[in-house]
Formats: sequence, structure tokens, C-alpha cells
Amino acid sequence: GAVVSQHPSRVICKSGTSVKIECRSLDFQATTMFWYRQFPKKSLMLMATSNEGSKATYEQGVEKDKFLINHASLTLSTLTVTSAHPEDSSFYICSARDRGVGNQPQHFGDGTRLSIL
Amino acid sequence: AQTVTQSQPEMSVQEAETVTLSCTYDTSENNYYLFWYKQPPSRQMILVIRQEAYKQQNATENRFSVNFQKAAKSFSLKISDSQLGDTAMYFCAFTEGLDSNYQLIWGAGTKLIIKP
Repeated sequence: GAVVSQHPSRVICKSGTSVKIECRSLDFQATTMFWYRQFPKKSLMLMATSNEGSKATYEQGVEKDKFLINHASLTLSTLTVTSAHPEDSSFYICSARDRGVGNQPQHFGDGTRLSIL
Repeated sequence: AQTVTQSQPEMSVQEAETVTLSCTYDTSENNYYLFWYKQPPSRQMILVIRQEAYKQQNATENRFSVNFQKAAKSFSLKISDSQLGDTAMYFCAFTEGLDSNYQLIWGAGTKLIIKP
């Protein structure tokens, strides 16, 4: 089955650090990837839709300059949290859709737990 | 705008019992897709079951089945013979389509606890 690899799974770093999270589709090509943020005991909140070769589409209220998204290939999208602060601490999840297979749902990565000290 | 509502924040049942999680949604579309996802403590998002709106037959996956009532815009999940490993957050989700940039619209989730 389709596998999405998300790395790293856990990050702990100091305030002011920039953190990059990778989302890779291992056995399929993904024109579109999605980035979510999940607060404790809450549902997934869509942050942005990442499109290969073009600019990401951000949801209302999500700072583009804060959360940089790059989708340079059909198998890799990255989310960079720039100058991270404690309020950016959260669980981030990516998902991807197989462009070669119709009628299939999104495949999810295992998520990244980000803790900013 | 489409919305998904899960009215049960938390439920608990004894192992081997049957439990039903409720989900209602709102849309003006006639064709769409509905999903139930499971998120165990490991935080992985696992697809449990899916339903296409144009199919009248309720989807079934082993111990998991849905009661899809299109007119009522209801999509409940029934878990039969519940097991300890079913303990997780369960999210109901809706999407208009599975191509291009169609987004998933998520419910707030139901925390399900299976007691031994």
C-alpha cells in the first residue's frame, strides 16, 4: 500500500530555531500534499495545501512567512517552521494523494511532535 | 460550507461489546465521500472505513460497519465485538472528491475507551 514517510518524528529545540519537517511519498507520486496541525485532544487543522512546482495554498490565519512550504518534487514536501517559539509547539501531520490512482483517499505520515523550549 | 459534527466527545464500553459512534454532516453536494479515521495513542491516522455517497449499500470492514443515511446526512460507525486495541480517537471526515485539491473536512473527534 501507499506509504508516506514523515521525518523527524520528534523535535525538541530552543526558541528561535528554525525546524524543517519532511514528508515523502515512498512508493507513489503526489502532486498534492497537505499539512495539518493538531493540538492536544483536538481534530486536525489544515494549514496548507502543497502543490508540486507551485506555491502552497495557505488556510486563513496561517502565516506564510512563519510556515514555509516547499514541494519541489513529486515525492517530497517540506514544512519549515521559522524562528520557532513555544506557541508553535504542536503535532504536525502531512498527507499525500497518489496522482496515479483515482478515487483514493489521502495517505498520512506518522506525524512530527514539535516541542519548543 | 460543509461541516462535520461528532456530538460524543468521549465514550467507553466493555471489551466485546458493540459501540456506535455518531457523525452528522452538512453539504449541498449530491456526490461526496465519507470516512472514519482512527488515531490511537501513537498518533498515526488510520483509515477505518469509507463510504461513497452514490452507493446505497453501507460499507463494512470486518468488525466495522457504517449506517449511512444520506437524507438525514448521518454517518455512524458501529464497532462490533470491541477489542482493547480499538481504544483511540475516532474522526469522521468528509470530502467532495478524491482528485486534485479536495480537502478533508474533519469532525472534532470521539475518544473511545475500551475497558477490560
